Amino acid sequence: QVQLVESGGGVVQPGGSLRLSCAASGFIFSNYGMHWVRQAPGKGPEWVTFIRVDGRNKYYVDSVKGRFTISRDNSRNTVYLQMNSLRIEDSGVYYCVLGVDNWGQGTLVTVSS
Amino acid sequence: IQMTQSPSTLSASVGDTVTITCRASQSISTWLAWYQQKPGQAPKGLIYKASNLESGVPSRFSGSGSGTEFTLTISSLQPDDFATYYCQEYLSYSWTFGQGTKVEIK
Repeated sequence: QVQLVESGGGVVQPGGSLRLSCAASGFIFSNYGMHWVRQAPGKGPEWVTFIRVDGRNKYYVDSVKGRFTISRDNSRNTVYLQMNSLRIEDSGVYYCVLGVDNWGQGTLVTVSS
Repeated sequence: IQMTQSPSTLSASVGDTVTITCRASQSISTWLAWYQQKPGQAPKGLIYKASNLESGVPSRFSGSGSGTEFTLTISSLQPDDFATYYCQEYLSYSWTFGQGTKVEIK
């Protein structure tokens, strides 16, 4: 069955950086685009970014353009989210998502001084 | 695309039938999903393509609609159903979620 396991979250100061990873298993990773979705405390989910199968085409929500970078390593079945210039409003749980109904358990990012 | 979900909170009793509505700012055909989320957990898929039940989801959950108007109905509400529900459009690679409906015990 599909498994998505996120890691890399933590506490960081405003302006800092974090790199999230999502290890995928249970499906042919190289055949599927992958999303990151985040959820701030007490708020609904927000789509963040998507990467196509070959890793060349990437899309971002406006609020993270120029600061976040999605990438993938099909040999390692892993998708990454490099987050730079972090802001307090970037805090929340970050989920790796395949399709519409395969979500990881999430990794918590806290941006605080 | 904007998704407007209502109501934001719903108080109901076990055994009640409840309906949650989601409106899209433009037509999304049937590219709509419904999720249930409990505190500390990831969203769990209930419905995809507006009216298709995910595997393992009880049949008391049903979805309908197309274009811009969608509904999620929970028949005979069970104790396990008290949670927050979200709609989500997935017409393209960027998704939009509704603001959520919290179903509370009356």
